[in-house]
Amino acid sequence: EVQLVETGGGLIQPGGSLRLSCAASGFTVSSNYMSWVRQAPGKGLEWVSVIYSGGSTYYADSVKGRFTISRDNSKNTLYLQMNSLRAEDTAVYYCARGGSSGSGYMDVWGKGTTVTVSS
Amino acid sequence: DIQMTQSPSTLSASVGDRVTITCRASQSISSWLAWYQQKPGKAPKLLIYKASSLESGVPSRFSGSGSGTEFTLTISSLQPDDFATYYCQQYNSLPSFGQGTKLEIK
Repeated sequence: EVQLVETGGGLIQPGGSLRLSCAASGFTVSSNYMSWVRQAPGKGLEWVSVIYSGGSTYYADSVKGRFTISRDNSKNTLYLQMNSLRAEDTAVYYCARGGSSGSGYMDVWGKGTTVTVSS
Repeated sequence: DIQMTQSPSTLSASVGDRVTITCRASQSISSWLAWYQQKPGKAPKLLIYKASSLESGVPSRFSGSGSGTEFTLTISSLQPDDFATYYCQQYNSLPSFGQGTKLEIK
């Protein structure tokens, strides 16, 4: 079964760091376009970052320079390293698989992990 | 950056109604548009990709159309399970989502 499971969320103080993980099963992370998407409480979806199968990475302006997306092919796992966290980073973070042939829609989503940035 | 604007923000309808949600892009995105359904506390679910292609397993009452800058999602006959929030997403360039349309029971 194709599945994504996010872990690593929690309560963190402003300025702190957190690393989210997204373990994949049923497919190979490194062969797919993989994204992180977040949703602040009561708000809509916001794309955060993407890593292409070739390894190129891109970020939303709101997280550029603070967040880093990566993957561990041996563990078939996607990561999001989040540094210098701010209150406005509070959200549910989803990882998602890109559609066929590296297309940019997202056909498989995890259940999400909650990040709360607060003192 | 490409901005996506959905209308309406909220839509009240009854079971059996035909409903249409519109999504407009700030510049042409060809047919690189997807639609998602999200229920409270759940992850989004892909419904439509490439503007009009129905994702496997999605009921045929859902359909998408459009190209360029204007797109629509139509539900031909609303079912109780369809009351949710719907998002469009462009993937002509780095992804961006519309603000969402909440479909409520009238």
